[in-house]
Amino acid sequence: DAGITQSPRHKVTETGTPVTLRCHQTENHRYMYWYRQDPGHGLRLIHYSYGVKDTDKGEVSDGYSVSRSKTEDFLLTLESATSSQTSVYFCAISLDRQTGNTIYFGEGSWLTVV
Amino acid sequence: RKEVEQDPGPFNVPEGATVAFNCTYSNSASQSFFWYRQDCRKEPKLLMSVYSSGNEDGRFTAQLNKASQYVSLLIRDSQPSDSATYLCAVNKGGKLIFGQGTELSVKP
Repeated sequence: DAGITQSPRHKVTETGTPVTLRCHQTENHRYMYWYRQDPGHGLRLIHYSYGVKDTDKGEVSDGYSVSRSKTEDFLLTLESATSSQTSVYFCAISLDRQTGNTIYFGEGSWLTVV
Repeated sequence: RKEVEQDPGPFNVPEGATVAFNCTYSNSASQSFFWYRQDCRKEPKLLMSVYSSGNEDGRFTAQLNKASQYVSLLIRDSQPSDSATYLCAVNKGGKLIFGQGTELSVKP
């Protein structure tokens, strides 16, 4: 158990509304990630963080922003949700880069944009 | 070409069979590799890490061939409980890049 909690676990929202997904970890890990998983595309990295206020873009960052004001929380925001952002979103942490970046996932947040 | 590619599935095998999955990667500088197992509507869970030539854990063996840029996962004596999707991941610049996964179904 990597001590990761995602919220909400399930959400249905309307096109054009803002949505924030929260990832909370209890073990003070420095590195955190947001992935989305879609049929035919697998897991794709959206944004990641190497520490408080230290974030960077992944391969599918358009339409998403993140914030990390505390070590334990990594927030993913969809500023104006679109149907193409219907997906399952996984938060992940890694213990440290010296372990080769082994990452552990949260349970996922299922988002439907209608 | 995708950075990480896996065998297309699904693999449907009888209980007790040996099954092997291949994963090819494009970044020759990658040094660490991972296999994850994912059950339906669940998060991926780490199955095995591979840092050198290979790794073994019970019925599961991972092998790395850096010259040909592939990593494989061998499951011996497969069980119905092994039915899942297996994801290959490659470390690229400190981030993990995943393949699309290979679905395995083991029939009793």
